[in-house]
Amino acid sequence: EDQVTQSPEALRLQEGESSSLNCSYTVSGLRGLFWYRQDPGKGPEFLFTLYSAGEEKEKERLKATLTKKESFLHITAPKPEDSATYLCAVQAYGQNFVFGPGTRLSVLP
Amino acid sequence: GAGVSQSPRYKVAKRGQDVALRCDPISGHVSLFWYQQALGQGPEFLTYFQNEAQLDKSGLPSDRFFAERPEGSVSTLKIQRTQQEDSAVYLCASSLGRRENTGELFFGEGSRLTVL
Repeated sequence: EDQVTQSPEALRLQEGESSSLNCSYTVSGLRGLFWYRQDPGKGPEFLFTLYSAGEEKEKERLKATLTKKESFLHITAPKPEDSATYLCAVQAYGQNFVFGPGTRLSVLP
Repeated sequence: GAGVSQSPRYKVAKRGQDVALRCDPISGHVSLFWYQQALGQGPEFLTYFQNEAQLDKSGLPSDRFFAERPEGSVSTLKIQRTQQEDSAVYLCASSLGRRENTGELFFGEGSRLTVL
């Protein structure tokens, strides 16, 4: 059974304090790993797709990396507007997207 | 609008009532997904449509849950005889391609169901 865990469950950072969020997964035949951002009361918003180990994607202050067992979302010099829940999802070939429980990030000014 | 639209945004039902939740996907999107999200948890898969065909309903928790997409666009998720454990946010997502080769899901804002 495909499984996704995320750590930490919650993270509080000071503005400008860089950190990383972890997504660990077990899946038979990974087609892709996806990162989403979810603001309170909203639906998830797509950030990145990673398809193979060693791949990296960047967008503004966010950088996602992928290994064979986990993915990291690195946040460089975060701002308060980066506060949100970050969700990781995996998809095996021919299967559904399986989401992790998310990491709640708070960035304090 | 350009995004996925869901209605109602909020629904309060008495236990035992039937509810219907509507999803308007992005025009032209082939795939449509329904997810259930409990408070503080990630979305859990319910069902998947490719155009009008319901190809996967393995996540529906009981036979009280029913979904349809008769013309390959708007979809309705129906919950019969609601129970308190049905309280959650129901998210709809659509994508341009089929499930097996799509890269991005576009989510609506969700319908929050509270069963008293």
